[in-house]
Amino acid sequence: GESVGLHLPTLSVQEGDNSIINCAYSNSASDYFIWYKQESGKGPQFIIDIRSNMDKRQGQRVTVLLNKTVKHLSLQIAATQPGDSAVYFCAEDSSGGYQKVTFGIGTKLQVIP
Amino acid sequence: KAGVTQTPRYLIKTRGQQVTLSCSPISGHRSVSWYQQTPGQGLQFLFEYFSETQRNKGNFPGRFSGRQFSNSRSEMNVSTLELGDSALYLCASSLSALNTGELFFGEGSRLTVL
Repeated sequence: GESVGLHLPTLSVQEGDNSIINCAYSNSASDYFIWYKQESGKGPQFIIDIRSNMDKRQGQRVTVLLNKTVKHLSLQIAATQPGDSAVYFCAEDSSGGYQKVTFGIGTKLQVIP
Repeated sequence: KAGVTQTPRYLIKTRGQQVTLSCSPISGHRSVSWYQQTPGQGLQFLFEYFSETQRNKGNFPGRFSGRQFSNSRSEMNVSTLELGDSALYLCASSLSALNTGELFFGEGSRLTVL
């Protein structure tokens, strides 16, 4: 039979522009959130994380924003580069420390040179 | 420092067979997690081991099992394979016992069930 795959949201961004990838999480008990990047043929790679007692955290060229009121997470990438093209996953951990991480469906970021 | 190593990288099995996948975590990492990635369901948590103990398990049937050895290496086994088990199986290791650190993923074992 025909298989139905997840329709990945796609974000196309011009090189040099800023990218904003959004994510809605479901479990209000989640206290730890992570963004991962997955390039074709590779496993996911950690980008940045944030705990529920924070609402913003910055890394190198990336910023994560957390809005617990509406259960929303976003990843901002400054000065997007071609190497940023990948699928980005937000993930939440509500297992109280047992590394049971729930991943979102992902967003495909396409950088236009 | 070597990353997470998964073997085999690719394998083809037929329905009804069983398969064992292996994962060697980063040296010093004691937590190993397994995930299944498919186009239809995305990344789904299978189970997590720490110090040879399974601490958490996802919503998969009993055909999916795993174990961890004293050197932190882990294996997962799928018995009585079904077509729907075709997927990329990812292993991740973590230094921390608690969710205070990132997961380091291997490149996965791609299983095709015919």
